Amino acid sequence: GAVVSQHPSWVICKSGTSVKIECRSLDFQATTMFWYRQFPKQSLMLMATSNEGSKATYEQGVEKDKFLINHASLTLSTLTVTSAHPEDSSFYICSAKTSGDHNEQFFGPGTRLTVL
Amino acid sequence: GQNIDQPTEMTATEGAIVQINCTYQTSGFNGLFWYQQHAGEAPTFLSYNVLDGLEEKGRFSSFLSRSKGYSYLLLKELQMKDSASYLCAAMDSNYQLIWGAGTKLIIKP
Repeated sequence: GAVVSQHPSWVICKSGTSVKIECRSLDFQATTMFWYRQFPKQSLMLMATSNEGSKATYEQGVEKDKFLINHASLTLSTLTVTSAHPEDSSFYICSAKTSGDHNEQFFGPGTRLTVL
Repeated sequence: GQNIDQPTEMTATEGAIVQINCTYQTSGFNGLFWYQQHAGEAPTFLSYNVLDGLEEKGRFSSFLSRSKGYSYLLLKELQMKDSASYLCAAMDSNYQLIWGAGTKLIIKP
């Protein structure tokens, strides 16, 4: 099956610093990549949708200047949390979609961000 | 608006059968997904239904009724490792996944 990787798996940073999370599709070309955030005991919250070579589409309430998304190629998307604060601490998960029969999304393993 | 409803938590016994229900309301419909998520991990794909009826895959089966906006995930011969959250997600006309809050399944010996 399709494999999506994320790096890093977990990160601890000081308040005010920026953190970059990478999402890669390892054995397929992802037409679209999604970034989700999940707080404890809550469901996935879609933050943004990105298509290769174009600007990301952000969900309502998500600050595009704070959560920078770059989808430079069909196998790589990055999410940068700028000037991170403790309330940004969360589990960030990316998923990638092909143009297959049923538009299945393949999830990365997630990145746990803790901002001190 | 778009909405997904599923129970917050269910408890079942090892070896038994459990059915997790999901109702959905979306703008357009391009299929219903079920994912399993263990604590601290990303979701993993279980099933996809776009036509009415039952899809069986080993111990897991998924059912869809488009006219009723209803789906269920059926887990048979429950094992302790099945303890997880089960997420229902419907794909709308824009091919966006609308996620339920998940059902936490607790398996008891």
